[in-house]
Amino acid sequence: DTGVSQNPRHKITKRGQNVTFRCDPISEHNRLYWYRQTLGQGPEFLTYFQNEAQLEKSRLLSDRFSAERPKGSFSTLEIQRTEQGDSAMYLCASSPTENQPQHFGDGTRLSIL
Amino acid sequence: AQSVTQLGSHVSVSEGALVLLRCNYSSSVPPYLFWYVQYPNQGLQLLLKYTSAATLVKGINGFEAEFKKSETSFHLTKPSAHMSDAAEYFCAVSHPGGSNYKLTFGKGTLLTVNP
Repeated sequence: DTGVSQNPRHKITKRGQNVTFRCDPISEHNRLYWYRQTLGQGPEFLTYFQNEAQLEKSRLLSDRFSAERPKGSFSTLEIQRTEQGDSAMYLCASSPTENQPQHFGDGTRLSIL
Repeated sequence: AQSVTQLGSHVSVSEGALVLLRCNYSSSVPPYLFWYVQYPNQGLQLLLKYTSAATLVKGINGFEAEFKKSETSFHLTKPSAHMSDAAEYFCAVSHPGGSNYKLTFGKGTLLTVNP
């Protein structure tokens, strides 16, 4: 069990640029979640995958956001035309089944200049 | 809909003193409840979980929490604080039997431990 891995750990970009984050879940965890955490707040749910199927998206996930999980392994979260309000920590979590606790990665901190 | 309220955004205790972090939840169905800890620039680490078994739940690092349905509470305690306990703590709720078991978090409580 090597834990949930997220890359990069930090991303600094100019407003309007596109960014992509990667999450490698714990091996054989077929459930994968993305959350966003802004300063002084708890994480907020963005989207959920069961294997390769994206089963739920939060209303927080505007059309500038897209997430994929090809082949049910790693996942990517892309933000197009970044805005100042996108600055946050993006957290990925995985779990082996629906009623097992989620294990979190260390997150990707996004800063928009 | 489900929600979590953590009373007190900042709690300060002396080393060796009791730690009490408060969490109240709102849920239309019997919930699963969790406490996570977050150290600076890191992800969240699970401390303990309640999943409808024993109402007193013991977790890692000496923490425990008691589920009280009548009070809709799930407060986190530790008898004796250690300097290494200084971190941010999040209470979270999910719905068993729901479509995805997504977590809804409180805003967090920052715990500082004074020597």
